[in-house]
Amino acid sequence: DTEVTQTPKHLVMGMTNKKSLKCEQHMGHRAMYWYKQKAKKPPELMFVYSYEKLSINESVPSRFSPECPNSSLLNLHLHALQPEDSALYLCASSHDSGQNNSPLHFGNGTRLTVT
Amino acid sequence: AQKVTQAQTEISVVEKEDVTLDCVYETRDTTYYLFWYKQPPSGELVFLIRRNSFDEQNEISGRYSWNFQKSTSSFNFTITASQVVDSAVYFCALSEAGAGTASKLTFGTGTRLQVTL
Repeated sequence: DTEVTQTPKHLVMGMTNKKSLKCEQHMGHRAMYWYKQKAKKPPELMFVYSYEKLSINESVPSRFSPECPNSSLLNLHLHALQPEDSALYLCASSHDSGQNNSPLHFGNGTRLTVT
Repeated sequence: AQKVTQAQTEISVVEKEDVTLDCVYETRDTTYYLFWYKQPPSGELVFLIRRNSFDEQNEISGRYSWNFQKSTSSFNFTITASQVVDSAVYFCALSEAGAGTASKLTFGTGTRLQVTL
């Protein structure tokens, strides 16, 4: 079982809905990530939080709003999404030791369908 | 800019065959890190190995082995005596030093491995 837990596993939402994806880890990692993965494509980085502060936003549209309430939790708030936003959303965490060699530990992902 | 190329889109082998997944990378940095991840149908990416640019020793872990050659900018992954459970998409990834305190990975496009009986 993965040590990064994501809920829900599947989500279907309309374009006018507001929903949230949740991610939790208890490995003491201080860096947390959101990735988006379309079918048959590699994961694409969306956001990085380091010590609960947003450190990287890869020019993600504002209809995606990340939140890091504490060092163990990471949320992704969704509002007014488009059908092309349908994808697998992966959360990951890593040690943040000031080096870039910490492997990422991924959750199982939330498979999102926007109708 | 950094780039990772996995030229093999899909590979099919019969169980017990050996298979090598190729990975070629481009970077201007002298310090960087290379990774392999496995993504089974269930969706999560499973970390397999990390290698830094100063360590060119090959590594073996059970049926898995990795061949890192800086001269050709390659980091190839071999599965010996493949099994059906090895069926997955395998991603090679590169992380440059100095990009910040968190790991910012550049993934290759992945190689889908299908192992059949």
